[in-house]
Amino acid sequence: EAGVAQSPRYKIIEKRQSVAFWCNPISGHATLYWYQQILGQGPKLLIQFQNNGVVDDSQLPKDRFSAERLKGVDSTLKIQPAKLEDSAVYLCASSKDRGRETQYFGPGTRLLVL
Amino acid sequence: EDQVTQSPEALRLQEGESSSLNCSYTVSGLRGLFWYRQDPGKGPEFLFTLYSAGEEKEKERLKATLTKKESFLHITAPKPEDSATYLCAGTIYNFNKFYFGSGTKLNVKP
Repeated sequence: EAGVAQSPRYKIIEKRQSVAFWCNPISGHATLYWYQQILGQGPKLLIQFQNNGVVDDSQLPKDRFSAERLKGVDSTLKIQPAKLEDSAVYLCASSKDRGRETQYFGPGTRLLVL
Repeated sequence: EDQVTQSPEALRLQEGESSSLNCSYTVSGLRGLFWYRQDPGKGPEFLFTLYSAGEEKEKERLKATLTKKESFLHITAPKPEDSATYLCAGTIYNFNKFYFGSGTKLNVKP
């Protein structure tokens, strides 16, 4: 069974530029999560989708971050405009459903904002 | 404020030297406590989920336990391949939010 796929793996941009990350969850997984992991810290949940609906986005800085999950499968996370403090690893995870289901993480996209 | 705190931040062990990692939580209405392993440059890998105080789960050299205020990850006779960062996370009653600790970086020397 293929795991969670993310692209790109690395991205370097200048501040105030925009960037987008893509996530393809495990086939059949209804729930998708985006996390931000700053160096030396644990992951911080940004947004949780159930199929193509948003369950929780209370930690998503909505003035610059946006996310969508069209057709309840793939998802994109966008930052526009980027700030220096957005430098982090962006992790995507998926689970069969909400609740007690195990989350499976992708390898992450490492973003450096200069 | 809901939060999860892990200690120590880093731990160096000799191969075979058993120890425990701590995860204390102040999460209202905790519904689940998760342990993950994260290797450099990779996403977290699921280890255990604990749901109620007194629960224990084991996998090879790892054993996770849960009380009403904290969880422990016991590592028995560790090997160098157990070197990684171990993360714990708590979730609340409706599984809408997940709170991760900052992790314990374990280094096992041969």
